Amino acid sequence: DAGVIQSPRHEVTEMGQEVTLRCKPISGHNSLFWYRQTMMRGLELLIYFNNNVPIDDSGMPEDRFSAKMPNASFSTLKIQPSEPRDSAVYFCASRGASLWGNSGNTIYFGEGSWLTVV
Amino acid sequence: QKEVEQNSGPLSVPEGAIASLNCTYSDRGSQSFFWYRQYSGKSPELIMSIYSNGDKEDGRFTAQLNKASQYVSLLIRDSQPSDSATYLCAGNGLQGAQKLVFGQGTRLTINP
Repeated sequence: DAGVIQSPRHEVTEMGQEVTLRCKPISGHNSLFWYRQTMMRGLELLIYFNNNVPIDDSGMPEDRFSAKMPNASFSTLKIQPSEPRDSAVYFCASRGASLWGNSGNTIYFGEGSWLTVV
Repeated sequence: QKEVEQNSGPLSVPEGAIASLNCTYSDRGSQSFFWYRQYSGKSPELIMSIYSNGDKEDGRFTAQLNKASQYVSLLIRDSQPSDSATYLCAGNGLQGAQKLVFGQGTRLTINP
């Protein structure tokens, strides 16, 4: 079974440019998460979706960031305009429905998108 | 106070010894806890989950949960150089039951 698939794996862009990161969750999973990881702040949750609906976007840093999930198999995280401080690894993760107690709470990560804004 | 806190280390342990990693959490309503391992340049991968007070063993790994003290730990027995990585503790709370909040991670090095 394919894992969480992210693209691009690496991106270098100039300040002010628009960046779009893409994610395909594990088939059958109904929750999708976008995390950002930096040395200073660690792994931070930006936003998560349940059944394609955004549930909690309190971690989105500012209006320059937006995320969408038009269907169960695709999500995007967009940064416009990008700034050097956005340089980080952006992870997408997904989780299946929890049918038996807490056993469905395991989150599986994609390989990450390494973003550098110069 | 951060929701999940870890000693960032680095923690250095000789090969064959027991490595002990610790984590505390602030939300008393948290129900589920996870330990992820992250090698440099890679994504986090789940190694243990624990939901009930007490110990849970899986091979060389033992997770311990003490809800009264709001404390989670991970023990790695017979440490191997391949265990060298950053270990991330994560938990969810009643209100955030659908999301995982991660600690800063503890960098572990096993010395041959």
